[in-house]
Amino acid sequence: ETGVTQTPRHLVMGMTNKKSLKCEQHLGHNAMYWYKQSAKKPLELMFVYSLEERVENNSVPSRFSPECPNSSHLFLHLHTLQPEDSALYLCASSPGPGLLSYEQYFGPGTRLTVT
Amino acid sequence: AQKVTQAQTEISVVEKEDVTLDCVYETRDTTYYLFWYKQPPSGELVFLIRRNSFDEQNEISGRYSWNFQKSTSSFNFTITASQVVDSAVYFCALSEARGGAQKLVFGQGTRLTINP
Repeated sequence: ETGVTQTPRHLVMGMTNKKSLKCEQHLGHNAMYWYKQSAKKPLELMFVYSLEERVENNSVPSRFSPECPNSSHLFLHLHTLQPEDSALYLCASSPGPGLLSYEQYFGPGTRLTVT
Repeated sequence: AQKVTQAQTEISVVEKEDVTLDCVYETRDTTYYLFWYKQPPSGELVFLIRRNSFDEQNEISGRYSWNFQKSTSSFNFTITASQVVDSAVYFCALSEARGGAQKLVFGQGTRLTINP
């Protein structure tokens, strides 16, 4: 595997379910990100992890819970979601930390539908 | 606050036409970086170019070219002789450092459709 991978690619869940999104980067990077992309707000930064420490929580509701067990893996735990949470969830990584110049590398995303 | 504006929501042109995507940014930082990303229908954002605030030279890469003008806070992207495979959503982004990690502020994106 190369680059940034995300699983599952598609997920349909009910509002009472609990599920997790997984992201893995094979680039040796130190920073990882979760973004939400919906029709209303194209790309919203949700969380930033640098060296496995959360450095940004962009006013995200507590029904989204991130976890970064090591610099290669990032999870987004979901529970009691709302239909408006349906979106494409993108994971990204960058060499980091604190380096403005590096581009972020994105995974293919998980298309989430909340019913 | 940092802000990126892509005023063109959608553009549709016929193949082989030239097309320019506009990007205007706001920042109080003296050192910053600008990026362009392409998002094809598959969903994955693909990095196209990075430009730092001290380098105003225009850049050309094949059919792609970028015009960075600090005086007007713009970083426009031109595709010459467009092709159907160029159809995608294009995002302009500005980087800032937050809490020890880089944060990208994205524009709203421009959906580009190249018709055969």
